[in-house]
Amino acid sequence: VQLQESGPGLVKPSETLSLSCSVSGGSMRSFYWSWVRQTAGKGLEWLGRIYTDHTTNYNPSLESRVSMSVDTYKSQISLKLFSVTAADTAVYYCVRGEIQMQGKWYFDLWGRGTLVIVSS
Amino acid sequence: DIQMTQSPSSLSASVGDTVTITCRASRGISNYLAWFQQTPGQAPKSLIYDASSLQSGVPSKFSGSGSGTDFTLTIRSLQPEDFATYYCQQYDSYPWTFGQGTKVDIK
Repeated sequence: VQLQESGPGLVKPSETLSLSCSVSGGSMRSFYWSWVRQTAGKGLEWLGRIYTDHTTNYNPSLESRVSMSVDTYKSQISLKLFSVTAADTAVYYCVRGEIQMQGKWYFDLWGRGTLVIVSS
Repeated sequence: DIQMTQSPSSLSASVGDTVTITCRASRGISNYLAWFQQTPGQAPKSLIYDASSLQSGVPSKFSGSGSGTDFTLTIRSLQPEDFATYYCQQYDSYPWTFGQGTKVDIK
């Protein structure tokens, strides 16, 4: 299974960051799908997760600005981050989550990541 | 949010050494802790989940332990490919949070 992020590498301040993650070599079902970003200043930050039934959980620190969606027919998940600022400059990773019997889930597979720079 | 604190922030070691990294959670997280390895320019790689279970394909030189608030990652017989930054992460309660990382470099 491979995860491949894609999207614009440069976004203007106040605009919307839009990324996609293509999943190949395996099914999307029975897994959670997350976005994690990495900055030099804040390290690794979990943005949220989505399941194939379209249910989501978002990081409260970003909840008002983030939206995730899933398209199982295209084997893709998408991220939108609204009203971006320079602080949103980061490498964005698509990450698969393995679900355990008791309902807990953990990251098991990461995409290569894509750098997004917010600048005018 | 649960704060994850790793120590040390960095350490120097030689090939063949055994090193231990500590991760402390700001409150109890049972054993819902994962460890990741990241080399420069690469994505993190999942090593351990449930504090001590190895991900598929991860060599047994990596081991994890702990429960509650205190956890350790031990790497035996360091090889050149093991020099990297290691992160812990809790998945007990949202939002998932990560430690700040421990950089293991060559002495």
